[in-house]
Amino acid sequence: DAKTTQPNSMESNEEEPVHLPCNHSTISGTDYIHWYRQLPSQGPEYVIHGLTSNVNNRMASLAIAEDRKSSTLILHRATLRDAAVYYCILRDVGGSNYKLTFGKGTLLTVNP
Amino acid sequence: SAVISQKPSRDICQRGTSLTIQCQVDSQVTMMFWYRQQPGQSLTLIATANQGSEATYESGFVIDKFPISRPNLTFSTLTVSNMSPEDSSIYLCSVDRTRSPAEQFFGPGTRLTVL
Repeated sequence: DAKTTQPNSMESNEEEPVHLPCNHSTISGTDYIHWYRQLPSQGPEYVIHGLTSNVNNRMASLAIAEDRKSSTLILHRATLRDAAVYYCILRDVGGSNYKLTFGKGTLLTVNP
Repeated sequence: SAVISQKPSRDICQRGTSLTIQCQVDSQVTMMFWYRQQPGQSLTLIATANQGSEATYESGFVIDKFPISRPNLTFSTLTVSNMSPEDSSIYLCSVDRTRSPAEQFFGPGTRLTVL
């Protein structure tokens, strides 16, 4: 599986934007970039995914570099409820295996 | 979306015993996955469970230790056999609704402590 690299931890202040980076230099053409987050004592939840173009949804935005070797998850206004571990995952849907391979993720702390 | 429930939510078990964890989905799904999350760690995939066929196990996980059943499109069980303290973890099931780059939905997890 193609690997991703994320900072171990990041800190933000409430109501400020947060940019969570992810490097994936070995990404293949059939890899989608997925972001999940895990709130304390809960199972992971889907945040957003994309292939080549930037994506927006009600939770966040995903900015993908032109060469696709890196991406950034953007939370436009962090709230205390956004404190979680954020996972950047490459998912190959070109074959028959749709599994998610989780790395260590980034622990986001949001200060009031 | 998909609503997933797991039973039990938590359990404390004795070494050498077995525990079966149930995962129920509110709609039919093709693919179900079982993950383990050891204390302070990320999630590790144990196996993929597809209805009508044997589960596919990841490297380091074997059927004798983690037998899985998938009797229909809304239900699966994972058994943790002959438990030791090293099996103390959170076990999560997840589902993939369609064969597309769609989101995976996760259950709340089963917190297992082995004494």
